[in-house]
Amino acid sequence: NAGVTQTPKFRILKIGQSMTLQCTQDMNHNYMYWYRQDPGMGLKLIYYSVGAGITDKGEVPNGYNVSRSTTEDFPLRLELAAPSQTSVYFCASTSQGRNYGYTFGSGTRLTVV
Amino acid sequence: AQSVSQHNHHVILSEAASLELGCNYSYGGTVNLFWYVQYPGQHLQLLLKYFSGDPLVKGIKGFEAEFIKSKFSFNLRKPSVQWSDTAEYFCAVNADSGYSTLTFGKGTMLLVSP
Repeated sequence: NAGVTQTPKFRILKIGQSMTLQCTQDMNHNYMYWYRQDPGMGLKLIYYSVGAGITDKGEVPNGYNVSRSTTEDFPLRLELAAPSQTSVYFCASTSQGRNYGYTFGSGTRLTVV
Repeated sequence: AQSVSQHNHHVILSEAASLELGCNYSYGGTVNLFWYVQYPGQHLQLLLKYFSGDPLVKGIKGFEAEFIKSKFSFNLRKPSVQWSDTAEYFCAVNADSGYSTLTFGKGTMLLVSP
């Protein structure tokens, strides 16, 4: 049982480039989330999804886009990368929503130079 | 919207010392509360959670936390820490309604010296 799988693990982007961070879960979870983690700042929610075809903005959505065409996949798209997007990105999922803890992926460390 | 405050950003303890990490939340309604741990270079793992019932909850690795509603607090405790407990600890909360998402505190870095 793989859980939540994120790719790539590391990436360096140049300013203005774009990329997609992949997230896949094999637990048939309806709820999926993208957070970014910056030192001393905790985790900030970027986008979340409550099911296929349904997404919504979190606290820090600017500069990002998501889609949810299947239950399993929840990719995060960065358009026109900026140094402020240098961060560690975590994808998470849960089955029933608010009473249950999230299962996190291992993260993607992104550096924009 | 809910918010979470973790008062200690860094804590240094010797092995066998007792641990208490503070967590306070701000929200007027019913909440669910969580503690996560992040070992160096790894992802977040759930330590314990509270959503109803006994306010004293026990989690993995000998950790426990007590929900005190009147103080809006959910402090994490462990009677005797080990070197392997060195990690960053995050408190998180969500409202017990709708599609409420988890809001995390800024984290407390615990360093346990052998």
